[in-house]
Amino acid sequence: EVQLVESGGGLVKPGGSLRLSCAASGFSFSTYTMNWVRQAPGQGLEWVSTISTGGTYIYYGDSMKGRFTVSRDNAENSLFLQMSSLRVEDTAVYYCARTYITSSGNSYSNYGMDLWGQGTTVTVSS
Amino acid sequence: SYELTQPPSVSVSPGQTATITCSGNALPKQYAYWYQQKPGQAPVLVIYKDKERPSGIPERFSGSSSGTTVTLTISGVRAEDEAVYYCQSADRSDSWMFGGGTKLTV
Repeated sequence: EVQLVESGGGLVKPGGSLRLSCAASGFSFSTYTMNWVRQAPGQGLEWVSTISTGGTYIYYGDSMKGRFTVSRDNAENSLFLQMSSLRVEDTAVYYCARTYITSSGNSYSNYGMDLWGQGTTVTVSS
Repeated sequence: SYELTQPPSVSVSPGQTATITCSGNALPKQYAYWYQQKPGQAPVLVIYKDKERPSGIPERFSGSSSGTTVTLTISGVRAEDEAVYYCQSADRSDSWMFGGGTKLTV
């Protein structure tokens, strides 16, 4: 079955750290750009981070820079998000999602986040 | 900072056409993507690259673009289409953004 399964969420105190994982199965993980997207309780979607197929290109949302680190292990079909200096406002459901990107010369074609996991809940509270 | 602006809510009767807009200054240069999210579920991609429909998405979902506004149109709306719809785009090549979401009530 083609799926993404997140894990690692939980309750953490402000200033603490947490490492999220996303296990991919049923597709060629190494050929997909991967993303983390979060959703605070009752709020909309917020892009967190994107990592390219080989991990060369990594991008973060402004409020995550310097605190979050995304990585991937293509041999293990896994995506990770190391979160540190956590704040109350980081409380959210964290989703991983895949994106297929093709390139031709200097142009890229992005096919959107077409597969999402069910999310893992992170609660930052004292 | 860059923003994608969506109406908070849209309401239509079954069988009617729903239109949901998303505005942003970078949209003339960047593709838009649309996601459907039902309560307690993960988002689902319904439109990519402004107007392309992923496999498995009903033909009643369509997308269009004009200047700084992109539009998601749902023709012949069904009760099962009731959800929150988010647009997504980039303000530059290394930064993504979602709109605030539009709750579609059928």
